Amino acid sequence: NAGVTQTPKFQVLKTGQSMTLQCAQDMNHEYMSWYRQDPGMGLRLIHYSVGAGITDQGEVPNGYNVSRSTTEDFPLRLLSAAPSQTSVYFCATSGTGREQFFGPGTRLTVL
Amino acid sequence: AQSVSQHNHHVILSEAASLELGCNYSYGGTVNLFWYVQYPGQHLQLLLKYFSGDPLVKGIKGFEAEFIKSKFSFNLRKPSVQWSDTAEYFCAVTSTSGTYKYIFGTGTRLKVLA
Repeated sequence: NAGVTQTPKFQVLKTGQSMTLQCAQDMNHEYMSWYRQDPGMGLRLIHYSVGAGITDQGEVPNGYNVSRSTTEDFPLRLLSAAPSQTSVYFCATSGTGREQFFGPGTRLTVL
Repeated sequence: AQSVSQHNHHVILSEAASLELGCNYSYGGTVNLFWYVQYPGQHLQLLLKYFSGDPLVKGIKGFEAEFIKSKFSFNLRKPSVQWSDTAEYFCAVTSTSGTYKYIFGTGTRLKVLA
């Protein structure tokens, strides 16, 4: 089992470009979420989903879109990248045990 | 508002010293509490969790935490740290029911000197 996978591992964008960060899981977990990690600010929840077709906003949703068409995939879209979105992005999943399982992260730089 | 406070942002200890990291939360209703660890260059992984029952919970690598409901606290402890414990530690809270929305603290960066 791969667990939680994220692609790409690193990405550099120019201001205004769009891109999609991929997250996939093979754990059959209903709950998936996206966080950004910035120095001194911990992990901040961007969007989350409690199942296919259901998504909701977290603490810092502006500038990001998500969709959940399948249980396995939960892509995060940056609509028009800004330097303030430079961060490390983590995808996480959770089952009935409520423990979160994290992916390896995507380090994004926006110039 | 829901929040998690970790009082110590940076902690430096010598090997064999005892560790206590503070965590206080503000979250309505009954909660589940977690400590996660992030080793350098790695993703977060679970250290321990509290759901119910004995408020003193034991986790991996000799870590333990005590849930004190009256103080809304869930402090992490280890009697004797090792150099390999150098990492960032995050406290997190979620509700026991409804959505699985997690709130994380800002983290404590621990450096253990050999």
